[in-house]
Amino acid sequence: KNQVEQSPQSLIILEGKNCTLQCNYTVSPFSNLRWYKQDTGRGPVSLTIMTFSENTKSNGRYTATLDADTKQSSLHITASQLSDSASYICVVSAETGGYQKVTFGTGTKLQVIP
Amino acid sequence: KAGVTQTPRYLIKTRGQQVTLSCSPISGHRSVSWYQQTPGQGLQFLFEYFSETQRNKGNFPGRFSGRQFSNSRSEMNVSTLELGDSALYLCASSLGGRAYNEQFFGPGTRLTVL
Repeated sequence: KNQVEQSPQSLIILEGKNCTLQCNYTVSPFSNLRWYKQDTGRGPVSLTIMTFSENTKSNGRYTATLDADTKQSSLHITASQLSDSASYICVVSAETGGYQKVTFGTGTKLQVIP
Repeated sequence: KAGVTQTPRYLIKTRGQQVTLSCSPISGHRSVSWYQQTPGQGLQFLFEYFSETQRNKGNFPGRFSGRQFSNSRSEMNVSTLELGDSALYLCASSLGGRAYNEQFFGPGTRLTVL
């Protein structure tokens, strides 16, 4: 069964500090992995997208890594800001019958405090 | 380019009623996917429509149905509402071809069942 597990479930950090969120998956056959940021009450917004051959991708202060051998990904946030407070969702896609089938993690809720 | 729009944004219904939610994808996108998001379960895939045909389906009861029109707009219907159907319903659109396509999410419809 395809699964995506994220840790920690929630996290509180001080403004300006760095943090790393984890994502482990058992999705097969792997196609791509995405990290989304979801503000409360809004739809998710894509941060990074990585395919099998990519092991790191940056988007401003967000850097995602992918280890396809161990089936792990991380999202590192540098110099956190109050606006980083949100849920971060890891999404892994499998290619099945020529089409993409997505599995969502349950997310990590990040709170950045002054 | 306008983003994904969903109507209504908020909805309150009582048990046993039915509800129809609407999603207008980004212009040119032919795939629309629907998701249910609850605090305990995270994002759960409902179904995907591509060129007016249901292409993928999640593990939801038959009370949940959908359709897509020739202009790619999609509707989702839930009949005989239950308290557990209270959730944020998100739709996402993508180009929809066989290759990987990024999904863009709408703001969601918050459904409350009393």
